[in-house]
Parts: sequence; C-alpha cells; structure tokens
Amino acid sequence: AQTVTQSQPEMSVQEAETVTLSCTYDTSESDYYLFWYKQPPSRQMILVIRQEAYKQQNATENRFSVNFQKAAKSFSLKISDSQLGDAAMYFCAYRSASPNNNDMRFGAGTRLTVKP
Amino acid sequence: DAGITQSPRHKVTETGTPVTLRCHQTENHRYMYWYRQDPGHGLRLIHYSYGVKDTDKGEVSDGYSVSRSKTEDFLLTLESATSSQTSVYFCATGTSGGAIETQYFGPGTRLLVL
Repeated sequence: AQTVTQSQPEMSVQEAETVTLSCTYDTSESDYYLFWYKQPPSRQMILVIRQEAYKQQNATENRFSVNFQKAAKSFSLKISDSQLGDAAMYFCAYRSASPNNNDMRFGAGTRLTVKP
Repeated sequence: DAGITQSPRHKVTETGTPVTLRCHQTENHRYMYWYRQDPGHGLRLIHYSYGVKDTDKGEVSDGYSVSRSKTEDFLLTLESATSSQTSVYFCATGTSGGAIETQYFGPGTRLLVL
C-alpha cells in the first residue's frame, strides 16, 4: 500500500521569508498524482497545488511551488514570501492514476507557524 | 467553493449508540467521499460513492456504512459507536473521480464517543 510521510510535525517561518515543507512517499506505481492541501484553523481543506508524476516540470501556483523528485520519491512544498495567512496545517497526499482507485493517502501533516 | 455542508457540526454520543452524519452538496458532483482525521494520521478514506446507490469501501471502512439515495446527499452511519470512532469527519466531493479531479471538502464534523 502507498504511504506518505511528512517528517516535520511543525515548522515556523518569518513573514516574507521562504519555507520548505518535506514529503516523501512510497509506491510501486509509475503513474500517480501528488497534492498539497492546506487546512487553516477553520478546518476547511483547501487544495494548494497538484503534480502529475509523468510531468517532469515542477508545478507552480503563485507563491507556492514544488520540488518533485520522482526517483527519490520526494515532493516538497516551497512557500515564498510567507504571509500570516499561510499559517495552517499542510498535508501532502498521494493518489494513484488508476481509474479504479479512488483512495487518496494523506501524510500526518506539518503545522506551519508564520511569525510577524 | 463547492457548496458542501455537513450536519451536525459537533456531536457527543455514548458507546453503543447509532450515529448518522450527513453530507449535502449543491454542486451536482458525481463523486462523494467520507474521511476521518485523527492526530498523527492525516485524513483516511472511509467510504466513497461514485453515483446514486453506488458505493465502495476505503482504507478504514470497518464499523461504518454509507448510503446515497440522492445525488446531493451522502450519509455516514456508525451502527454502534465506539470510542475509537472519536474523530473529525470530513465529507468531500469530486466531479470525475480518479486522481485528476479536484476534491472539495466540507467543514467537518467533530464526533466524541464517550
């Protein structure tokens, strides 16, 4: 079964600085998708960014970008110019590209604190 | 944002009692999911639905059942609640299923089983 590991339970960053959250995963599949979700104190889960495994180019969404290393099974999230509103739990998630597999596997999460 | 509501938002119940959580969506999304969130585990899939009356099990389905009689409603039932089912439950919807879809999450239901 696929597993997702986030080795940093907590991280902090100074406002306007850059922070990188780590994620590794284990799979024997070659085609899959990876996600980063944000969960603010409101508990609503919000999709931040998505990466398709067969695309070598790293995904970018405004201040959020990923470093996808397929061979190393690593998928880190970089947040640039951190803002107070970025404070939240961040979850890395894996989903098989198989059309019959609707199970998304989440990591345990990283709590990000942004200091003013 | 997809219109997803969950009810109740908070519930306290006793061991052995039945509990039903409701997820309601206004987006006409075909796929619906139930997850539970526990410290140290992130979210784990309980059951999902790929259409009216079409459901399947997820990673942690034991002790749970689901029903979907209408596109907009997806019910999660704990037939006989146990303390291990104390958790935060999230409903999500998706348009297409599969990894390419974007899942939209509801606000969550906090359940405490005493």
